[in-house]
Amino acid sequence: NAGVMQNPRHLVRRRGQEARLRCSPMKGHSHVYWYRQLPEEGLKFMVYLQKENIIDESGMPKERFSAEFPKEGPSILRIQQVVRGDSAAYFCASSPEAGAIEQYFGPGTRLTVT
Amino acid sequence: DAKTTQPPSMDCAEGRAANLPCNHSTISGNEYVYWYRQIHSQGPQYIIHGLKNNETNEMASLIITEDRKSSTLILPHATLRDTAVYYCIVRVAHLSGNTPLVFGKGTRLSVIA
Repeated sequence: NAGVMQNPRHLVRRRGQEARLRCSPMKGHSHVYWYRQLPEEGLKFMVYLQKENIIDESGMPKERFSAEFPKEGPSILRIQQVVRGDSAAYFCASSPEAGAIEQYFGPGTRLTVT
Repeated sequence: DAKTTQPPSMDCAEGRAANLPCNHSTISGNEYVYWYRQIHSQGPQYIIHGLKNNETNEMASLIITEDRKSSTLILPHATLRDTAVYYCIVRVAHLSGNTPLVFGKGTRLSVIA
């Protein structure tokens, strides 16, 4: 039973380019969470999605960031016009239901903006 | 902001018990205590959770004080692979709505041979 998958594992973008991060939740999980971890910091919640719906985006920056979780396919975190401050590890987690005991995390995507 | 306070770092000799403390003096009656750990460069991993009773699983034991204002995670026989950052999190668990995990800075545990 495959765990949460994220790709790419490493992504390098120049300032002003777009970054697309993908997350495939565990089989049977319809709830996805995105977290960001800046260097030497703890993880910070960004957005919570169910299939085709954004439930809570209170942790998402208001500009340049968007997320989706379509009916088919992975969840996508999109960052437009990246800046150096976007360099971080982005983790996706999934759960089978809202408020589930355990969130299962993927290995993360490390974004470097040059 | 995280509702927990943990020491920034701890050392433990391999094979000995590692006792990681956590203060959560403002915990509410419906909030659980969760522990996750993050091994270098990996995604966080769930360890254990509890409400008010002590809990044990194959990974660890969780001791929660009677007033619920603090807890201790115990790794009974630490190995080098237990070297990681350990996060103590308080969180409401319910079957509707969003309950994201709020991570603090955690405790960096170094297990020494």
